[in-house]
Amino acid sequence: AQSVTQPDIHITVSEGASLELRCNYSYGATPYLFWYVQSPGQGLQLLLKYFSGDTLVQGIKGFEAEFKRSQSSFNLRKPSVHWSDAAEYFCAVAPGQAGTALIFGKGTTLSVSS
Amino acid sequence: EPEVTQTPSHQVTQMGQEVILRCVPISNHLYFYWYRQILGQKVEFLVSFYNNEISEKSEIFDDQFSVERPDGSNFTLKIRSTKLEDSAMYFCASSGTSGRRDEQFFGPGTRLTVL
Repeated sequence: AQSVTQPDIHITVSEGASLELRCNYSYGATPYLFWYVQSPGQGLQLLLKYFSGDTLVQGIKGFEAEFKRSQSSFNLRKPSVHWSDAAEYFCAVAPGQAGTALIFGKGTTLSVSS
Repeated sequence: EPEVTQTPSHQVTQMGQEVILRCVPISNHLYFYWYRQILGQKVEFLVSFYNNEISEKSEIFDDQFSVERPDGSNFTLKIRSTKLEDSAMYFCASSGTSGRRDEQFFGPGTRLTVL
């Protein structure tokens, strides 16, 4: 069965420091991969997505992610974190065609210290 | 920019009552979804809907739940005889193009509280 693992439940990063959030997936073929961000009390906003092609994808708010097939990973990175980045981050995989379910990881809560 | 909207933002109901959660997907989208997120847990898929019928559903989506597209714009989730454990944030999503994978756009959610 397809699954997504986010090993880190909670991460604290100093403002201005770099960030990497880990995501590993289990899927038999090349998946479509997504990172979503959820601020407290808010909905899910798409940060970036990987469908095919260049394995380094750029997203909004200065985030990027790299797809590594050999490691079944799709880690999210940001070179310099801002206090407004504090939120919950979800990695998700889409195993099927249009109309199939997104499978989410359990999320990583990011706290930013000053 | 087009967006998915959901009403109400917060619904409080008594156990055993029926609730209807409403969503207006992005107007030219073809696929519609409901997900839920129990407090502190991950987002879970409930159901997807295409061409006026359910295309996929999870184990969570039992006979207590139903979905409908009553007109050209709304997409609803009905929960019959609500239980305490139905308390969660319910997200509607929509995606566009048939035949290829596409991103799902999420609404802001409806927080359902069952007392």
